Amino acid sequence: GAVVSQHPSWVICKSGTSVKIECRSLDFQATTMFWYRQFPKQSLMLMATSNEGSKATYEQGVEKDKFLINHASLTLSTLTVTSAHPEDSSFYICSAPTAGSSTDTQYFGPGTRLTVL
Amino acid sequence: KQEVTQIPAALSVPEGENLVLNCSFTDSAIYNLQWFRQDPGKGLTSLLLIQSSQREQTSGRLNASLDKSSGRSTLYIAASQPGDSATYLCAVIRMDSSYKLIFGSGTRLLVRP
Repeated sequence: GAVVSQHPSWVICKSGTSVKIECRSLDFQATTMFWYRQFPKQSLMLMATSNEGSKATYEQGVEKDKFLINHASLTLSTLTVTSAHPEDSSFYICSAPTAGSSTDTQYFGPGTRLTVL
Repeated sequence: KQEVTQIPAALSVPEGENLVLNCSFTDSAIYNLQWFRQDPGKGLTSLLLIQSSQREQTSGRLNASLDKSSGRSTLYIAASQPGDSATYLCAVIRMDSSYKLIFGSGTRLLVRP
């Protein structure tokens, strides 16, 4: 099946620093990718939709200036958590549909665990 | 607003049992429904995808059904094994311009040897 990778798999940073998380589709092109956040023992909450060649669309309540998304190519989307604070500590997961349609099966990356001290 | 609910929140069964996980959604206007598995600290693995025009899908010991009119889906796991222990999530894609996945809260399954 399709493969989506994320890097890094985990990161620890100091409060106030910025952290970049990469999401790559390894064997297919993805014009759309999705970024989710998952707190312990909770479900996934969609943060934003990353669109290649255009601006990301953010869900209500998600600060676009804090969570910067760049869909640099058809195989790469990045999420930058700017001026991270302890409450940003979470598990961040990306996904991408394979056939160019958002209604297609979505494949998920392995996730990135962010811990802000 | 689409809401997805999963019952039970947690389930513990002895190895070999057949079991059913439930998922309900409030808005029947969906494109499809997916069942995922998540191991602790890991990403999601897609198990089954049911299109809105379908009633069920099968893969090995897994069978998922969809009743769109009643807003329900079930995931049936036959002859459960300890390796099936994980959190199972269902998600629907709304039939609007957003095509976003809306997730349920998940069922944490423990299959005891």
